[in-house]
Amino acid sequence: GQQLNQSPQSMFIQEGEDVSMNCTSSSIFNTWLWYKQDPGEGPVLLIALYKAGELTSNGRLTAQFGITRKDSFLNISASIPSDVGIYFCAGQLWSGGSNYKLTFGKGTLLTVNP
Amino acid sequence: NAGVTQTPKFRVLKTGQSMTLLCAQDMNHEYMYWYRQDPGMGLRLIHYSVGEGTTAKGEVPDGYNVSRLKKQNFLLGLESAAPSQTSVYFCASSSRGVHGYTFGSGTRLTVV
Repeated sequence: GQQLNQSPQSMFIQEGEDVSMNCTSSSIFNTWLWYKQDPGEGPVLLIALYKAGELTSNGRLTAQFGITRKDSFLNISASIPSDVGIYFCAGQLWSGGSNYKLTFGKGTLLTVNP
Repeated sequence: NAGVTQTPKFRVLKTGQSMTLLCAQDMNHEYMYWYRQDPGMGLRLIHYSVGEGTTAKGEVPDGYNVSRLKKQNFLLGLESAAPSQTSVYFCASSSRGVHGYTFGSGTRLTVV
């Protein structure tokens, strides 16, 4: 089956630093998604990408859909303490009305020191 | 709009006991899913449903059963709980034609 490799597994950074994480896949997707999970909560969608090469921003977050359709990255600029959490990438391959299969990476645990 | 609601939020079971986790969504989504989350393992799909009355196995279905008798509800059952089923369980839903899932806030289950 499809597998996603997400890196790094964890990051410890100082407040104000920029963060970068990425996902690579053994097969192509036509949608890439990035989720954030706060402690004790479920994952929440941050950014969705629909086209190869697409670059999308959401506040201090920027994500890109790789040209090969097998990778994506997420950048966080000027980190703040509330950025703490687990960030998941997810790939989706769908055709017609069958859009129900998401493949998740194992997550990047981000810790921000004030 | 409540989104996806999971009950209970916490539960402790003894080995061999049974229980049912309830997931309810009020977004009229067609698809629903059950995941488990364990440290270092990410989110693993247990079972999913593409419509009322239909269910299918995911990546780690053993020891679990599911039912989707109503479109808005998706039940996850453990017939005979084992310590290996200690985990955080997440329900999610999605709509045909809309990408991405909406997750519930999780159920933390401990089997002793």
